[in-house]
Amino acid sequence: AQKVTQAQTEISVVEKEDVTLDCVYETRDTTYYLFWYKQPPSGELVFLIRRNSFDEQNEISGRYSWNFQKSTSSFNFTITASQVVDSAVYFCALRGGANSKLTFGKGITLSVRP
Amino acid sequence: GAGVSQTPSNKVTEKGKYVELRCDPISGHTALYWYRQSLGQGPEFLIYFQGTGAADDSGLPNDRFFAVRPEGSVSTLKIQRTERGDSAVYLCASSLEGTSASSYNEQFFGPGTRLTVL
Repeated sequence: AQKVTQAQTEISVVEKEDVTLDCVYETRDTTYYLFWYKQPPSGELVFLIRRNSFDEQNEISGRYSWNFQKSTSSFNFTITASQVVDSAVYFCALRGGANSKLTFGKGITLSVRP
Repeated sequence: GAGVSQTPSNKVTEKGKYVELRCDPISGHTALYWYRQSLGQGPEFLIYFQGTGAADDSGLPNDRFFAVRPEGSVSTLKIQRTERGDSAVYLCASSLEGTSASSYNEQFFGPGTRLTVL
């Protein structure tokens, strides 16, 4: 069975603050993929990043960075110098083994205040 | 079209009625997925098509739910005898092809259909 836990439900920060969104996963598969999606108020899921289980290198893309640690089964997402446009619900998701379906966490609602 | 499209964007129906939700995937994408997102929750998998066939329907909650993809492109999710608990946003996604254990093709999501059962 696969499971994704996003323990934080709501986070509120002031613009320009850094914020980290936590994600912990469970899977018995040796090969798996992890994802982060953003869901703005418009409702459409926007893909942010994919990591496979063999690549533990951290990644940075502009103000976004991701920290993948297999030892703690975590895939955390940090937004540096947050902006109001970052306000959205963020989902972590897992795809394991030969399954094609994504298993999502419950999401974290991020509010960035001006 | 440029992305996954879903119609209608909103559907209000009465308990016990039949509804159909349509998904038009990105052209050339052979894999198509349906998910359901209840308020305050993450999307939950319903069914996955590879071409015309349902490769995995393990997420369908009961036999009132059925989906088809007769020509390997557009898909229709059908719900019979709707119940208030079926109210949710139904999301469709497509990808270039299905996945294997060693490879993955990104799923692109549509805007969803918000179903409200009164």
